[in-house]
Amino acid sequence: SQTIHQWPATLVQPVGSPLSLECTVEGTSNPNLYWYRQAAGRGLQLLFYSVGIGQISSEVPQNLSASRPQDRQFILSSKKLLLSDSGFYLCASTGGAGDTEAFFGQGTRLTVV
Amino acid sequence: EDQVTQSPEALRLQEGESSSLNCSYTVSGLRGLFWYRQDPGKGPEFLFTLYSAGEEKEKERLKATLTKKESFLHITAPKPEDSATYLCAVYDYKLSFGAGTTVTVRA
Repeated sequence: SQTIHQWPATLVQPVGSPLSLECTVEGTSNPNLYWYRQAAGRGLQLLFYSVGIGQISSEVPQNLSASRPQDRQFILSSKKLLLSDSGFYLCASTGGAGDTEAFFGQGTRLTVV
Repeated sequence: EDQVTQSPEALRLQEGESSSLNCSYTVSGLRGLFWYRQDPGKGPEFLFTLYSAGEEKEKERLKATLTKKESFLHITAPKPEDSATYLCAVYDYKLSFGAGTTVTVRA
């Protein structure tokens, strides 16, 4: 089965600072990759998904961006963080090599101060 | 556009009191419906994948079923350790989640 590595686990950043969260996948090839954000007590909001290298679809307008420089690497970035960017960020993987199950990383708790 | 609606938002149960959670969905081409369990501050933990109407899967006190428009997660004789948020997601060309049902089981 797949393993999703996501780091860091927690992050405190000042308003206006840049952001880079990285997610890497092991145990599969050519997966679909996702970034979600979860506010406290809420469901998972899909931010970006990617079906291949360099292919990014954005679901929600925001000051975040995503990139997929390699098949099993997915990066979430921001040039200038806002207070509203605080939340729990999750990377997920589906598909790849005939696998239709979905796997999650352990998440990054981002607090913008 | 894919839509996933879970009900109820919250469910408080006494230990041993069986109940069901609902996930209704609208999706163009369903490739799979997933159920996850999430504990506070952690990533979702995979429970089941259902692929076609009529399919059922069981794991300990949990049983998931699927129709063409909805899925149910049945919790039989729950224990306090079953307390968690249960998330439903549909997968066509992307993975879309409902808002979840928070289950609290009292001893």
